[in-house]
Amino acid sequence: QSVLTQPPSVSAAPGQKVTISCSGSSSNIGNNFVSWYQQLPGTAPKLLIYDNNKRPSGIPDRFSASKSGTSATLGITGLQTGDEADYYCGTWDTSLSAGVFGGGTKLTVL
Amino acid sequence: DVQLLESGGGLVQPGGSLRLSCAASGFTFSNFPMGWVRQAPGKGLEWVSAISGGGDDTYYADSAKGRFTISRDNSKNTLYLLMSSLRAEDTALYYCAKVLVATMTTAYWYFDLWGRGTLVTVSS
Repeated sequence: QSVLTQPPSVSAAPGQKVTISCSGSSSNIGNNFVSWYQQLPGTAPKLLIYDNNKRPSGIPDRFSASKSGTSATLGITGLQTGDEADYYCGTWDTSLSAGVFGGGTKLTVL
Repeated sequence: DVQLLESGGGLVQPGGSLRLSCAASGFTFSNFPMGWVRQAPGKGLEWVSAISGGGDDTYYADSAKGRFTISRDNSKNTLYLLMSSLRAEDTALYYCAKVLVATMTTAYWYFDLWGRGTLVTVSS
């Protein structure tokens, strides 16, 4: 069972918007920065978001994120079939002195 | 090219040991913290361990504490993970990953560069 809680799956139609939630606690999300990763089928994860809401170069602004208290949210607008992937939130857990990931959310673009 | 290349995976019996290596190229290896993340077949990502750029500070998931040792040789641009007392539940694809920024502050340890992984199978 993951320290961070994500919905197992979300789905939306092409062109629409979807959000993925990530819930934690004061020892992780509440007092640390959140990152998000995209893992396309059969590939290594890719950093999408860091510092709660910043995008690395090359990541389109269709991807955005926010944090409030002990929860974080990833938003994807203008959905494309190529966005079908597993999405993971991650952060540092101060109590564990270790990094932690959410269980992952499978995005289906219908 | 900036890349990470893992090696050392394979089939090992329960209770056995294995050392994974990760060869880095294309960046100043010693500047950046590094880590290992694993993914069991059909499962999600699991953070395993991380080490500071100089190698003095190491961190482990509870599942790895006491059994796994992370280390690095900055003269060889190589990261290691020594795994012992292996269990069936350690079976996974092990990714080597580079931290985005050269910082000692673990709150900023996001992984921006990943290898393709090396598969570890623990079975008799």
